[in-house]
Amino acid sequence: QQPVQSPQAVILREGEDAVINCSSSKALYSVHWYRQKHGEAPVFLMILLKGGEQKGHDKISASFNEKKQQSSLYLTASQLSYSGTYFCGTEIGVSGSARQLTFGSGTQLTVLP
Amino acid sequence: GAGVSQTPSNKVTEKGKYVELRCDPISGHTALYWYRQSLGQGPEFLIYFQGTGAADDSGLPNDRFFAVRPEGSVSTLKIQRTERGDSAVYLCASSLSRRGEVPFWPSNTGELFFGEGSRLTVL
Repeated sequence: QQPVQSPQAVILREGEDAVINCSSSKALYSVHWYRQKHGEAPVFLMILLKGGEQKGHDKISASFNEKKQQSSLYLTASQLSYSGTYFCGTEIGVSGSARQLTFGSGTQLTVLP
Repeated sequence: GAGVSQTPSNKVTEKGKYVELRCDPISGHTALYWYRQSLGQGPEFLIYFQGTGAADDSGLPNDRFFAVRPEGSVSTLKIQRTERGDSAVYLCASSLSRRGEVPFWPSNTGELFFGEGSRLTVL
């Protein structure tokens, strides 16, 4: 079943913060985040494994709440280059085995100067 | 240092025709995936190869779709009797190995490397 992302779209000014949420109705083994610019390939941002860890690089970080089956992507002090569509991909695992990623419908992020 | 290469980048065909889409993964990547992306949607899983074999083809919509990877490298997605509803961008991705399978190297993040896709338009 497809994870639900919110919001569907967000517009912000350079330097502002944004949060993108991803929730699933099923128990998750991992959550993956990708960014896709128009006409380009999706690019990997990070993966979070069950255990409630938080990851980040530069000013983009994410958390994974295993109990709620939710993940959030945090973009701090956004830059123009952050514009694009963000997808979460969820992986359902049983005893550590992994299956294919199921992607959400995406969140379109636009950063204005 | 080439990434995932997909050809053709654009394909326009008529309803009922046969098409082939090719994917050349990153050298050394044993896992290969096909996804389909419709406008305004996220990628939808079609099939996954580990080596030469299709380990999971549960995402193929029907028997008009078929994919092969005969030598464990290049893969071809084949669509017979195309329909207008098949119009989409077909994405290929590769990765070092699949999480949960042996061997699993600590350095393997599970990252998928996507190609830029083949845009298929069925008239």
